[in-house]
Amino acid sequence: AQSVTQLGSHVSVSEGALVLLRCNYSSSVPPYLFWYVQYPNQGLQLLLKYTSAATLVKGINGFEAEFKKSETSFHLTKPSAHMSDAAEYFCAVSDEWGSNYKLTFGKGTLLTVNP
Amino acid sequence: KAGVTQTPRYLIKTRGQQVTLSCSPISGHRSVSWYQQTPGQGLQFLFEYFSETQRNKGNFPGRFSGRQFSNSRSEMNVSTLELGDSALYLCASSLLGGPRETQYFGPGTRLLVL
Repeated sequence: AQSVTQLGSHVSVSEGALVLLRCNYSSSVPPYLFWYVQYPNQGLQLLLKYTSAATLVKGINGFEAEFKKSETSFHLTKPSAHMSDAAEYFCAVSDEWGSNYKLTFGKGTLLTVNP
Repeated sequence: KAGVTQTPRYLIKTRGQQVTLSCSPISGHRSVSWYQQTPGQGLQFLFEYFSETQRNKGNFPGRFSGRQFSNSRSEMNVSTLELGDSALYLCASSLLGGPRETQYFGPGTRLLVL
């Protein structure tokens, strides 16, 4: 069965500092991995996804993530945090096992950006 | 293209009542999935529909049901509401529902059960 673990339910950074949000996955077959962002009172918006092409994936708003099979990780980074990055971030996994196409989400990481 | 729309955005019900939530996917998308989001359990998959057929179902009781119409619009129904059903219900659509596809989420319906 698939699962996703996001280390740190709350991460706080200063404006201009590096953002690092951690995600580890468990999947018995090669996974597809996603990062979504949720702003208050809104739905989820895709930041980026890994679908077995390049292991370094670039997304919107300056975010990127690197798929590391040996570490079963897909951490999200951004070199310089902006106040507008404050939101909740979710890592999710899907795979092609059977026909059970669905996203399994981590518990989320709330990012706070301090001025 | 218009995004995924959900109606209503907010809903207050009392225990024992039933509720129906609606989702209109992005034009051309044939797969619609539903998720429940709560502070305690996070985002949990409810079910997925494709071409009016339920293809996949999460681990929720039978009080939670859904359907999809020929125009791909979907509804979910919760009968005999319980306090624990208070949540944000998110609908997502994609072209065919494949595992590599991006799922596009609507703004959600926030349900409060009193």
